Amino acid sequence: DVKVTQSSRYLVKRTGEKVFLECVQDMDHENMFWYRQDPGLGLRLIYFSYDVKMKEKGDIPEGYSVSREKKERFSLILESASTNQTSMYLCASSGVGEGTEAFFGQGTRLTVV
Amino acid sequence: AQSVTQLDSQVPVFEEAPVELRCNYSSSVSVYLFWYVQYPNQGLQLLLKYLSGSTLVKGINGFEAEFNKSQTSFHLRKPSVHISDTAEYFCAVAQGGKLIFGQGTELSVKP
Repeated sequence: DVKVTQSSRYLVKRTGEKVFLECVQDMDHENMFWYRQDPGLGLRLIYFSYDVKMKEKGDIPEGYSVSREKKERFSLILESASTNQTSMYLCASSGVGEGTEAFFGQGTRLTVV
Repeated sequence: AQSVTQLDSQVPVFEEAPVELRCNYSSSVSVYLFWYVQYPNQGLQLLLKYLSGSTLVKGINGFEAEFNKSQTSFHLRKPSVHISDTAEYFCAVAQGGKLIFGQGTELSVKP
């Protein structure tokens, strides 16, 4: 059974903290993605990666960075968490090709207080 | 750049009634379209996808969607819904190896 695993389902962090969200996939996929989900806005792409050590900005990269040191792991970093980053964060992975399916993790609900 | 618009944010429907969730996309030479479903407290899973060929695409759980190039639409339909279909549904278009999502439609099935 294919799997994308996010390290935490729920997180509560304080304003100004550095926050790490971890994602691991076991499908040997080249592509990995971080999305943010907010009511009425759907899923918005924060960052994506086509290969190890490669990253590209999505639509809303401000306040975030990412790291991909190994093919199976893609980390999202909030350098200094703010209350407007309270949201659901979804990680996904996919193989190469425009029509390939993306597989999603369960999501991490982050609350910044 | 591609974009996707889901025309209804919420769709309430009674059990065993038919349902249509509407999705429009921005025009492009070639287009790959997807519908995903998100059950409460879960991630997204693929319902169906259109890559090419037949414009009527069948997916899991009795859902189907019709690709209409002239109207740039990809509406999702089910002839008879169940309580268990209550979820949020997302339409998406592929662009440069990533997926661009619509705003989502909450389907609420009532007994």
